[in-house]
Amino acid sequence: ETGVTQSPTHLIKTRGQQVTLRCSSQSGHNTVSWYQQALGQGPQFIFQYYREEENGRGNFPPRFSGLQFPNYSSELNVNALELDDSALYLCASSERPGQAVEKLFFGSGTQLSVL
Amino acid sequence: AQSVAQPEDQVNVAEGNPLTVKCTYSVSGNPYLFWYVQYPNRGLQFLLKYITGDNLVKGSYGFEAEFNKSQTSFHLKKPSALVSDSALYFCAVRDKKTGGYQKVTFGTGTKLQVIP
Repeated sequence: ETGVTQSPTHLIKTRGQQVTLRCSSQSGHNTVSWYQQALGQGPQFIFQYYREEENGRGNFPPRFSGLQFPNYSSELNVNALELDDSALYLCASSERPGQAVEKLFFGSGTQLSVL
Repeated sequence: AQSVAQPEDQVNVAEGNPLTVKCTYSVSGNPYLFWYVQYPNRGLQFLLKYITGDNLVKGSYGFEAEFNKSQTSFHLKKPSALVSDSALYFCAVRDKKTGGYQKVTFGTGTKLQVIP
């Protein structure tokens, strides 16, 4: 078990709505990454936050946004939900980004269904 | 751009037999390579990583992986499979040139089924 916790575990929304997903990092970790895992696919990198700033982003539109707080917990916000946003959203924490090769500690994810 | 290919959607192996889960990668520079395992309704768990040095990397639960630069492969292996090894396995790569942030690219996963 990792020390990364995500909430809620499941969520159902309708198209056009907005959603906020939450993540608490493992103790001592100041870097959080978010991934989207569609059914039958590998996780896709959304973005990474380090010390409350976004420092890397994957190929996701601006309606995917995030925050990191002083205690290093994080939120993922998705506006104007689309059906294709239905997926498992995974949060991963690590000790630090950059040149260091850090393993990722994943939470169990939030399963988002968009109807 | 960096990418990972896992050519097998599923691998079946009898308990006690050796197992191999295949992975090939593509990066513009030198790679950092990883294997993660995912059990049902769980997040991914780290198994092992290759950074540099010895091409044979040992990880958790008796797994190991062999880095082959000429074939751009990083196959996951275990000498004797257990039923409890049945899970979804993901290979992942990060280009050393990425720097600044840790964008890790995952493969599509291989389902390992160990038959009692």
